[in-house]
Amino acid sequence: QITLKESGPALVKPTQTLTLTCTFSGFSLSTSGVGVGWIRQPPGKALEWLAVIYWDDDKRYIPSLKSRLTITKDTSKNQVVLTMTNMDPVDTATYYCAHSRGGSGSPQDYWGQGTLVTVSS
Amino acid sequence: DIQMTQSPSTLSTSVGDRVTITCRASQSIDSWLAWYQQKPGKAPKLLIYKASILESGVPSRFSGSGSGTEFTLTISSLQPDDFATYYCQQYNSYATWTFGQGTKVEIK
Repeated sequence: QITLKESGPALVKPTQTLTLTCTFSGFSLSTSGVGVGWIRQPPGKALEWLAVIYWDDDKRYIPSLKSRLTITKDTSKNQVVLTMTNMDPVDTATYYCAHSRGGSGSPQDYWGQGTLVTVSS
Repeated sequence: DIQMTQSPSTLSTSVGDRVTITCRASQSIDSWLAWYQQKPGKAPKLLIYKASILESGVPSRFSGSGSGTEFTLTISSLQPDDFATYYCQQYNSYATWTFGQGTKVEIK
């Protein structure tokens, strides 16, 4: 059974760096084709894909936020970490991590429950 | 960047109706399109990938079609559990993903 869970601060101040951790079970990020990505959703708005990291350490980012994002994995801990620098109130959103199979081009088939991050001073 | 235009933004409909949601890409994405269903306060659920392949466990009343720039999600006979927001998602040549703006299917 595949499960994912996001963790991190619920509140960050503007200009701070956000660090979110996705802890998963039921699969290995060393298995060929597997990826873990991050998607966010501001309150009442649409989903926005942010980044993905694959089993071979290939990483992809949304172009508009690429300079602020870093995604890494710790295969031994079954964790993926997303950092986002220079946080702004517009980054207030629920952040989800999600699993994908079958390499690049495979959508997100298992999702975490999401974690709400509020950016405010 | 490839833009995704999803329509309509809201659909007022009734149980038993046939529902069609459209997603248009600003340039060809072959069949690299997925559809998700999201209910309030919940994570999205994958329904269809590669434009027309039904994800395991998804009821057969859901179907997807299209290729290139125009895609459709169809619910053949809307059930009470289907009232939700639906998103399309495209995969592009830069190996990144983009979601549409969403379509809220609500009770008429």
